[in-house]
Amino acid sequence: AQKVTQAQTEISVVEKEDVTLDCVYETRDTTYYLFWYKQPPSGELVFLIRRNSFDEQNEISGRYSWNFQKSTSSFNFTITASQVVDSAVYFCALSERIIQGAQKLVFGQGTRLTINP
Amino acid sequence: ETGVTQTPRHLVMGMTNKKSLKCEQHLGHNAMYWYKQSAKKPLELMFVYSLEERVENNSVPSRFSPECPNSSHLFLHLHTLQPEDSALYLCASSQDRDGADTQYFGPGTRLTVL
Repeated sequence: AQKVTQAQTEISVVEKEDVTLDCVYETRDTTYYLFWYKQPPSGELVFLIRRNSFDEQNEISGRYSWNFQKSTSSFNFTITASQVVDSAVYFCALSERIIQGAQKLVFGQGTRLTINP
Repeated sequence: ETGVTQTPRHLVMGMTNKKSLKCEQHLGHNAMYWYKQSAKKPLELMFVYSLEERVENNSVPSRFSPECPNSSHLFLHLHTLQPEDSALYLCASSQDRDGADTQYFGPGTRLTVL
C-alpha cells in the first residue's frame, strides 16, 4: 500500500531562517508522482510542485527548492530565507493511478510551519 | 480567478437535515474528487469521478451521496449526518496529460454537524 510520512508535525522558526520539511514515501509502483501542497489558514490546498519518479533532478523555484532522492524514498522541501507569509500547513502526497484519467492522492499528515517575525 | 469554487464555504446543520455541497471547476478538467479533512486524520479521498462516471468510492457511508451531472460540476448530498462528520470537505479536479495529472483544489466547505 502507498504511504507518505511527514515526521515533523510542527516547525517554528524565525523569519529569514532556512527550513526543510521532510517527506518519506512507500510505494511498489515503478512509475509514480510526488507532490507538495500548501494549505494556508483559508483552507485551500495550493499546488506547489509535481515530480515524477524518473526525474531525480532537484528543482528550485525562487526561495523554494525540492530534493528528490529515490534511494532513500524521500522528497524534501526547503524554504530559503523564510517569510511570515510562508506560515501554513504543508502536505506531501503520492499519486496512485485508479484508471486512465484519474488518480488517487495519498497524503502525509502535514507539517504545520510557523514563521515568527 | 479561482479555478475550482465551492459553495457554501461554511455550513452548520443538524443531524436530521439534508443539505448539499457544490463544486464547480473552470479549468476544463475531466476528473473531479471529494476529499475529507478532519482534525485527527490525514486528508482522505471519498469519491472520484472521471468523465462523469464514478470510479472510486472509498468506503464512504451512504449518508454521503455524490452526484456529477457534467464534467464541470460535482455535488455532495448530505443526510442524517453524525457529529463526527464535521470536517473540511475539499473538492479537486484534474486533467490527465501524458500519464500524469495534477489535482487542483477548491477552498473547501467547513461543515459542522450539531
